Amino acid sequence: NAGVTQTPKFQVLKTGQSMTLQCAQDMNHEYMSWYRQDPGMGLRLIHYSVGAGITDQGEVPNGYNVSRSTTEDFPLRLLSAAPSQTSVYFCASSPGTLATNEKLFFGSGTQLSVL
Amino acid sequence: GDSVTQMEGPVTLSEEAFLTINCTYTATGYPSLFWYVQYPGEGLQLLLKATKADDKGSNKGFEATYRKETTSFHLEKGSVQVSDSAVYFCALGTNAGKSTFGDGTTLTVKP
Repeated sequence: NAGVTQTPKFQVLKTGQSMTLQCAQDMNHEYMSWYRQDPGMGLRLIHYSVGAGITDQGEVPNGYNVSRSTTEDFPLRLLSAAPSQTSVYFCASSPGTLATNEKLFFGSGTQLSVL
Repeated sequence: GDSVTQMEGPVTLSEEAFLTINCTYTATGYPSLFWYVQYPGEGLQLLLKATKADDKGSNKGFEATYRKETTSFHLEKGSVQVSDSAVYFCALGTNAGKSTFGDGTTLTVKP
């Protein structure tokens, strides 16, 4: 059972480089999201999607782009990496879109360092 | 807006000690409340949840009760083990599946 799969697990970038963090889920979940985890700041929502073709901004969207062309995939793009984007990134999904009692299923994370 | 406040860590306990991690929240409407656990090098996983006032969530010896009058969802365990060492996150869930997380509390249990 794959669940939520994130790649890569580790990445080092130079300032100004671009890259895409991949996220895929095989549970047919409608909702997918990206969080970043920084020491002492918990998890902060970057972008989320309630279904294919629909995305919206979270708490800290600046510097990141997303798209949702299929139910399974939700890539996160950094167009011009900055040191402030050094963080651990988590992708998460849940089955529906409106129920408040649904838990999130998390990937294992991508540790990104921007030099 | 919605927010979650957890007790600051880190917390260090001896094996078999009693654990309490405090969590309070601010939210509009009627959110669900969650505790997630993150073991080293892994993503978060659900530990327990409660969906309405006075509900008690429980799992693996951990418990938390949804207290609307005090807007709290404190995590407790009667006897911790070394294997419980992890980071614990309190979270609230709102419409559209958006979850707001606390800052996390690091628990270390020593044998």
